[in-house]
Amino acid sequence: GQNIDQPTEMTATEGAIVQINCTYQTSGFNGLFWYQQHAGEAPTFLSYNVLDGLEEKGRFSSFLSRSKGYSYLLLKELQMKDSASYLCAVSRAGSYQLTFGKGTKLSVIP
Amino acid sequence: GAVVSQHPSWVICKSGTSVKIECRSLDFQATTMFWYRQFPKQSLMLMATSNEGSKATYEQGVEKDKFLINHASLTLSTLTVTSAHPEDSSFYICSARETGTSGRRFDEQFFGPGTRLTVL
Repeated sequence: GQNIDQPTEMTATEGAIVQINCTYQTSGFNGLFWYQQHAGEAPTFLSYNVLDGLEEKGRFSSFLSRSKGYSYLLLKELQMKDSASYLCAVSRAGSYQLTFGKGTKLSVIP
Repeated sequence: GAVVSQHPSWVICKSGTSVKIECRSLDFQATTMFWYRQFPKQSLMLMATSNEGSKATYEQGVEKDKFLINHASLTLSTLTVTSAHPEDSSFYICSARETGTSGRRFDEQFFGPGTRLTVL
């Protein structure tokens, strides 16, 4: 089976940097995704990691350590529109299925 | 990016009735589609994997006779909630995986906008 943990809520200040952590336990690993979801809307893709290391894409970066079962999403220069839930999802090997964590609700304050 | 649509975007029905939700890939072919359910303040829970031309694979605890899935073409999958009850009220989201993505770095799922179901 798979178990994915991430903090329930976080608050950060506009313009700051925030790191959202995700730990996972899985019997078969084929990559880790981060999605952004605004309330009442579908998730939108942010990043994908399958090898150890850091992937950078604009203001967003994602890190993966497979040996530690750990990932983080780093958001820089926070904007008010970044207030959303951030979902960590692990892809099961051989099936393309995703198992999602419960999501971290990020509130960006002025 | 690829676009996935869902219809309807919201529906209100009486207890005991059936509701059909459509998921369409608009500009790509999708051999595999996924159906998720999301309760308030909860994450997405995979209900079933829908494969074109074959029976859907349901996750443990999901009643296949209650949640009927049909994937009749490479661009359309439908989820029918039969004999709906108030506890079935939820946000239903589909996603689609593009066919023939070998050579891509990863298999991205494209999500539909979701369907809000309220059963009275």
